[in-house]
Amino acid sequence: DTGVSQNPRHKITKRGQNVTFRCDPISEHNRLYWYRQTLGQGPEFLTYFQNEAQLEKSRLLSDRFSAERPKGSFSTLEIQRTEQGDSAMYLCASSSSGQGYEAFFGQGTRLTVV
Amino acid sequence: DQQVKQNSPSLSVQEGRISILNCDYTNSMFDYFLWYKKYPAEGPTFLISISSIKDKNEDGRFTVFLNKSAKHLSLHIVPSQPGDSAVYFCAFNSGGYQKVTFGTGTKLQVIP
Repeated sequence: DTGVSQNPRHKITKRGQNVTFRCDPISEHNRLYWYRQTLGQGPEFLTYFQNEAQLEKSRLLSDRFSAERPKGSFSTLEIQRTEQGDSAMYLCASSSSGQGYEAFFGQGTRLTVV
Repeated sequence: DQQVKQNSPSLSVQEGRISILNCDYTNSMFDYFLWYKKYPAEGPTFLISISSIKDKNEDGRFTVFLNKSAKHLSLHIVPSQPGDSAVYFCAFNSGGYQKVTFGTGTKLQVIP
């Protein structure tokens, strides 16, 4: 296992289009997180899954955002009707229950909305 | 509301000297504190953590200090090495929730 994998690495889309990102966590990790990072800021929490259950959601996660982890393995993050303000790095992280809050991050998907 | 502040956006240190990175927080409910390191084009990497019941945790060249009364967290790197050059984020968690709140980061440059 080579760590947390995110696809695509880069996505350029026109305003109003829908986009979907995929995250493959470390295989034995039951916890999965999505974060968003904009220039000059630290990562901002979006949502958290334990296995297939979405247990926490940030108020940053508007109605246009939806995340799933259907079988408790990979996860997808969809943004509908993208806006220029959605341009950011979207980071996925995973951890196991016994690790406390230390998480392993993927390299991220950079979204540019034009 | 900015619950976490890293007031120094950048720091330059000579190789072999001590690097001290600082973080201030306002939320007294935080009970677990972490430091992450980030290289360009990579995701953050966990470095070291400390729980609120401790005031110091050491791992090799890295030591984290927690001053709860001052709501201040710091990371000491001794001796600093050029490979330590990266952006360092402090991060905090409130018990019972998985949400981790990150600071804005400090870019450390270790000069050979």
